[in-house]
Amino acid sequence: EVQLLESGGDLVQPGGSLRLSCAAPGFTFRNYAMSWVRQAPGKGLEWVAAISDSGDGTFYADSVKGRFTTSRDNSRSTLYLQMNRLRVEDTALYYCAKVQSSYSQAFDHWGQGTLVTVSS
Amino acid sequence: QSALTQPASVSGSPGQSITISCTGTSSDVGRYNLVSWYQQYPGKAPKLMIYEVTKRPSGVSNRFFGSKSGNTASLTISGLQPEDEADYYCCSYAGLTTRFGGGTKLTVL
Repeated sequence: EVQLLESGGDLVQPGGSLRLSCAAPGFTFRNYAMSWVRQAPGKGLEWVAAISDSGDGTFYADSVKGRFTTSRDNSRSTLYLQMNRLRVEDTALYYCAKVQSSYSQAFDHWGQGTLVTVSS
Repeated sequence: QSALTQPASVSGSPGQSITISCTGTSSDVGRYNLVSWYQQYPGKAPKLMIYEVTKRPSGVSNRFFGSKSGNTASLTISGLQPEDEADYYCCSYAGLTTRFGGGTKLTVL
């Protein structure tokens, strides 16, 4: 059974840093691209970042480019999101999502999310 | 990276059909047949309902139907049931990025 287990969310001050993790047991993690999607309180979904199956390719939304970095450790079946220079508007529930296939680009499994709150 | 445009809300009575539109541009919805739709209940993670414009994952009811014409994709739900009441989001691949719609709240009257 595919599981996606996010952790690392916390309350942080503007300008601070945080690293999120997403443990991914239950499937062959190294074979799939992964993404991060966030949802601000009471708002819609926003794609944040994606990483290829090997980790060689990374892609970011303009709103986080230069501040966030996604990476993965295929030996540990774990996805990461390093968030630097955090802003109040980065406050959201952060989901990791498994990409269904290299063609479809759809997100067929989601974690339950980890909450990041940026506030002074 | 503008979001795709969806109506904020739609409603229908049990047994009726409703359609949710998702308007993008020639750089996303119009260019790629890679539109997906997600259902989200309050406090829950999104669930994939449609991928590659028209395909349903295993386990998703055939009451859910996806389509596309030009820069606009649509999700049609037939035979509305109370459990269909949720938020629905469209999503499109757009090259090196991915765009979501703003979401549509479906109310089953």
